[in-house]
Amino acid sequence: SQTIHQWPATLVQPVGSPLSLECTVEGTSNPNLYWYRQAAGRGLQLLFYSVGIGQISSEVPQNLSASRPQDRQFILSSKKLLLSDSGFYLCAWSHTGINQPQHFGDGTRLSIL
Amino acid sequence: SQKIEQNSEALNIQEGKTATLTCNYTNYSPAYLQWYRQDPGRGPVFLLLIRENEKEKRKERLKVTFDTTLKQSLFHITASQPADSATYLCALDGPLNDMRFGAGTRLTVKP
Repeated sequence: SQTIHQWPATLVQPVGSPLSLECTVEGTSNPNLYWYRQAAGRGLQLLFYSVGIGQISSEVPQNLSASRPQDRQFILSSKKLLLSDSGFYLCAWSHTGINQPQHFGDGTRLSIL
Repeated sequence: SQKIEQNSEALNIQEGKTATLTCNYTNYSPAYLQWYRQDPGRGPVFLLLIRENEKEKRKERLKVTFDTTLKQSLFHITASQPADSATYLCALDGPLNDMRFGAGTRLTVKP
């Protein structure tokens, strides 16, 4: 069966520090991969998605970036965090094709001080 | 502008009753709609998918309807239990075949 791992579960970082959140998927190949941010009381905001190694599409211009160095690895990064980057970050995967459900990791709660 | 609105932030019902959650959308023409459950501090979990040519879909105590004329989906949980307490999100396919999520409705089932 497929599993998705996301870490760390919580992270407290000072403003201006770098960020690296990692997500890996097991049990499937060539998945679509996604990074979302969820603010309290609001829907999931799609940040990045990837349909293959090295292929990243950005939905929202900001100081975050994403990379997919391997088929089942998706990394969310920032060189300098802002206060507004605080939130709940979720990684997800789906099979390729339309109508595919997305399968989420347990998220990272990021607090910027 | 495009909107996905879930009827209320919170819904409280008594155990055993049927919970009905609403998802309305504006300026979308989705081919399908999905419902997810999210527990506090966890990622959403997929529950059901319904296509535009399907009026109704059932899975155990769950039932979803999809009315493309009203631009609305209803999500029902029959014989609700305290364990059904969670936030429920609807999602639909956006114009770029991406998935767009509503903000969710927090359901509390009281014993």
